[in-house]
Amino acid sequence: EAQVTQNPRYLITVTGKKLTVTCSQNMNHEYMSWYRQDPGLGLRQIYYSMNVEVTDKGDVPEGYKVSRKEKRNFPLILESPSPNQTSLYFCASSFGLDRRPGELFFGEGSRLTVL
Amino acid sequence: EDQVTQSPEALRLQEGESSSLNCSYTVSGLRGLFWYRQDPGKGPEFLFTLYSAGEEKEKERLKATLTKKESFLHITAPKPEDSATYLCAVQAGYDKIIFGKGTRLHILP
Repeated sequence: EAQVTQNPRYLITVTGKKLTVTCSQNMNHEYMSWYRQDPGLGLRQIYYSMNVEVTDKGDVPEGYKVSRKEKRNFPLILESPSPNQTSLYFCASSFGLDRRPGELFFGEGSRLTVL
Repeated sequence: EDQVTQSPEALRLQEGESSSLNCSYTVSGLRGLFWYRQDPGKGPEFLFTLYSAGEEKEKERLKATLTKKESFLHITAPKPEDSATYLCAVQAGYDKIIFGKGTRLHILP
């Protein structure tokens, strides 16, 4: 089954404790992206990757890191989480925005609470 | 500045009562406009891509249309299972997709 898998789905942590949210896709997609979704603000892009070893900042990258060492995986790293990073996070992937514009496949989401 | 605005923010309809959701956009170099559906607690699910003014796409009770400045998602004779948040997005360039804040649709039985 074609899917984007995120882990963990739910996490409560404390300020400053490093955490990683994993994202894996099984569709051989080139493009991967992380979004956060907050009430009243909609979906905002954090980072994206056009292909392996190629990453770039989205609209709200502060406080986050990513890496793309393999095509299927795109982990999101919070080095020192703060309460304003409490949010619902989505990973998404695509064949490539030049080949299939806008046709993103989303994961189920990871709800993060930072105390 | 590239921008996507959806209206209304929320819409309540009776089952069978047809209506339309609006998505207006300002973007340089539009490469496509997209509609997604999002159920509570789930990731958005892709519905349609529209590339040029005058284009229309249909899927069951949904029909999406596009003009040079806005798109409409028409819902004909909706059912309770059509209740969801509908997101509009545009692609500007090869690497950027901008989402609107969505319209929460609630269909009453």
